[in-house]
Parts: sequence; structure tokens; C-alpha cells
Amino acid sequence: SQQGEEDPQALSIQEGENATMNCSYKTSINNLQWYRQNSGRGLVHLILIRSNEREKHSGRLRVTLDTSKKSSSLLITASRAADTASYFCATALDSNYQLIWGAGTKLIIKP
Amino acid sequence: SQTIHQWPATLVQPVGSPLSLECTVEGTSNPNLYWYRQAAGRGLQLLFYSVGIGQISSEVPQNLSASRPQDRQFILSSKKLLLSDSGFYLCAWGSLSEQYFGPGTRLTVT
Repeated sequence: SQQGEEDPQALSIQEGENATMNCSYKTSINNLQWYRQNSGRGLVHLILIRSNEREKHSGRLRVTLDTSKKSSSLLITASRAADTASYFCATALDSNYQLIWGAGTKLIIKP
Repeated sequence: SQTIHQWPATLVQPVGSPLSLECTVEGTSNPNLYWYRQAAGRGLQLLFYSVGIGQISSEVPQNLSASRPQDRQFILSSKKLLLSDSGFYLCAWGSLSEQYFGPGTRLTVT
């Protein structure tokens, strides 16, 4: 079963606005990652946050992790049309050998 | 730099026909390799992973199989496709910290 659950399932905003999507998970993790998938393409790794970290930044991306709530958020600031894609969270567990994937958030940036 | 190739990009196959999807990686040696399937609008389901030549672990019982005949080659096969095998198949290499994906194969079983 999927460990990560993203919300919202879909998000449509105007170019220039900030986009926030959330990921919740069920068990203790080693790390949590966010990936982007353009329509019909492979996934691209965006950022990783470890279980002992609370916040990380990469360019216009900001990821937070709250292990007490078992949740993470991905913030994309100053959105661009090129940010239109689906975004997935994936968790790595200490006791497992595979990443557990959420169902994704579909982000549409309107020009 | 590392590159991952998958082919074909799209495939339409009748029910009961065989399947062979190939994935190759360049620029790295002894990679961990993964086959995923993605249903429309959904996340990724791990099908197989491999830590070395001839070493395959299966995650989902089904009519698919995988092989790793060479260090950087990973093949997904089926002897007889089912309608439920339709989906987007992704090959990846990497680790539990970061995975690199191929462009994917869109399989439609008719």
C-alpha cells in the first residue's frame, strides 16, 4: 500500500503565485524525497530531506518535514509555466529496501 | 555523466502476446536497478529491483519477470500479456537517497 499521500490531488494557480503541496506518511522514515514528473515522462529528483532535518531549500523549492505529524510540505515560490507537472513524495524506511510512493499532486500553472 | 535509456517509448500489444522492454544505463557501474509501473494518475509501484547481475527481487506476484544479463542492462518480460498489464513502465537506477529514471514505456494491451 502507498505510504505517502499527497494533497491536494490537483492544484491550479496563476503564474507568479506560490504553490504548496503536502505529503503525509504512516511509519518512521529515514528520508523523504520529492520528485517531479512532466506529462508522459520519467521522474526527476528534486530534493531530499532526512528524518533529522526540519527544512531544506533548493532554489525556488522549500521542503519542510514534521516527523511528529508524519508530514512534509513542498513549497514552490514564484511559480512559472514550466513548473506545470505532477509532484510525488517518496519515503525511504529504515527497515525497507524500496521507496514508498504517494499518488502525486498535479500542479497546473496558468499564464 | 550517467544516462538511462528505455525502449520502446510506446507499445501496443494484443492480449496473450509476449513482452520485452529493455533498459540500459551508461556512466556508472554495478548500479541498483528498478522496474516500476505507474497506472494513470497514480504513484509508482515497484515491480522488480536488482543489486547485481542475475540478482532479481520481485515485489508483486504477476505474469511479469525481469532479468539482468549484464551489469547495466535490465529487461522486463512477459510470456503472455494481460489487459491489466497496460500502464506506464519506468526503469530507474540509484539508491534509497536518489533515483534516476528513464523516459518510460507506455504499454497498451488490447
